[in-house]
Amino acid sequence: DGGITQSPKYLFRKEGQNVTLSCEQNLNHDAMYWYRQDPGQGLRLIYYSQIVNDFQKGDIAEGYSVSREKKESFPLTVTSAQKNPTAFYLCASSTGTGGRETQYFGPGTRLLVL
Amino acid sequence: SQKIEQNSEALNIQEGKTATLTCNYTNYSPAYLQWYRQDPGRGPVFLLLIRENEKEKRKERLKVTFDTTLKQSLFHITASQPADSATYLCALDEGSARQLTFGSGTQLTVLP
Repeated sequence: DGGITQSPKYLFRKEGQNVTLSCEQNLNHDAMYWYRQDPGQGLRLIYYSQIVNDFQKGDIAEGYSVSREKKESFPLTVTSAQKNPTAFYLCASSTGTGGRETQYFGPGTRLLVL
Repeated sequence: SQKIEQNSEALNIQEGKTATLTCNYTNYSPAYLQWYRQDPGRGPVFLLLIRENEKEKRKERLKVTFDTTLKQSLFHITASQPADSATYLCALDEGSARQLTFGSGTQLTVLP
């Protein structure tokens, strides 16, 4: 089956710790995205990548980092600089970028702080 | 500042009725508007896309309208069913990068 996988489903972070969320897609999509969702709020864009080895900051990139070494993979690292990391993190992909492109989302990772 | 507003409160309707959800925006001139469905604890799923030069789009029991003068999109579900209960998100392309910006969503509950 084609789709997007995210792991883990739940992730616990200790104070001062960096954690990495995995996102893999086998849809052969060029573009990939990371969003953060807080309760009762919409999705906020953290980073996006239009092509391998290139990525752009979204609206709330501070405290996060990404890499895009392979077309199918776009991992997100939540660094210790992110002081309020508790949220639901969603990865998505699309054929290209822009408003006419449908985005396909993974199942999400819920990050909690211990 | 740029802003997207969806129905501010949750929407409860009776099975069989038509549900109408609203997406209003300010300070945008989007070329595209999309609607997604999100179930609790899961990622959103794409439903419909409408272009700025289209007034209406239909897909089975779903209908979307796009009024660029009113800066509003309406999302209708006819003959609603309890299985339609979910949160519905609208998204518009905006900014120089024309990336999708999502509204906060409307939680719809269809009562049997």
